[in-house]
Amino acid sequence: AQKITQTQPGMFVQEKEAVTLDCTYDTSDPSYGLFWYKQPSSGEMIFLIYQGSYDQQNATEGRYSLNFQKARKSANLVISASQLGDSAMYFCAMRGDNTNAGKSTFGDGTTLTVKP
Amino acid sequence: DTEVTQTPKHLVMGMTNKKSLKCEQHMGHRAMYWYKQKAKKPPELMFVYSYEKLSINESVPSRFSPECPNSSLLNLHLHALQPEDSALYLCASSRPGTANEKLFFGSGTQLSVL
Repeated sequence: AQKITQTQPGMFVQEKEAVTLDCTYDTSDPSYGLFWYKQPSSGEMIFLIYQGSYDQQNATEGRYSLNFQKARKSANLVISASQLGDSAMYFCAMRGDNTNAGKSTFGDGTTLTVKP
Repeated sequence: DTEVTQTPKHLVMGMTNKKSLKCEQHMGHRAMYWYKQKAKKPPELMFVYSYEKLSINESVPSRFSPECPNSSLLNLHLHALQPEDSALYLCASSRPGTANEKLFFGSGTQLSVL
């Protein structure tokens, strides 16, 4: 079984500052992928960043980086230089190689509000 | 073309109606998904099609009937829905199989059942 835990229901950040959204996970799969998705109020889920369980380096995509600590089973998303358009709900998710093809497990999400 | 297109964007239906949700992608993805999402909650997986065959049904009630006519299209047929079925229905696609495949989502259909 897989489980994703996001402990921050809501977060506030000042524009241009950095913010960290927490994600911890649990799985019995030896190989797995961790993902972050952004969902603005418009509804579409947007892929942000991916980290493979065997990747040695933390993933980065522009202003997004993933702080991956395998031993602690955490995969926190760091957003640098926050912008007003970053206000959205953020979901951490994972997929394992041994689970049924196509099953992604999502956390409960964190609502991020960027203040001007 | 990296889009997943869903129609309609909004749908209001009575409990006796029959309607269909449509999803289309032209990225060559051979896995397609239906998710149901309530407000402020994570998406819940309903169905997965892999190579046009239903591979996962998450014990969804039979009033929801999926169909995958070809590798680009995915439909969700709705019949005799209940008010609690009101939700955002998201379609997604990906390359099938391994743990590193990200999901590409459509913008969803907001369904209201009266």
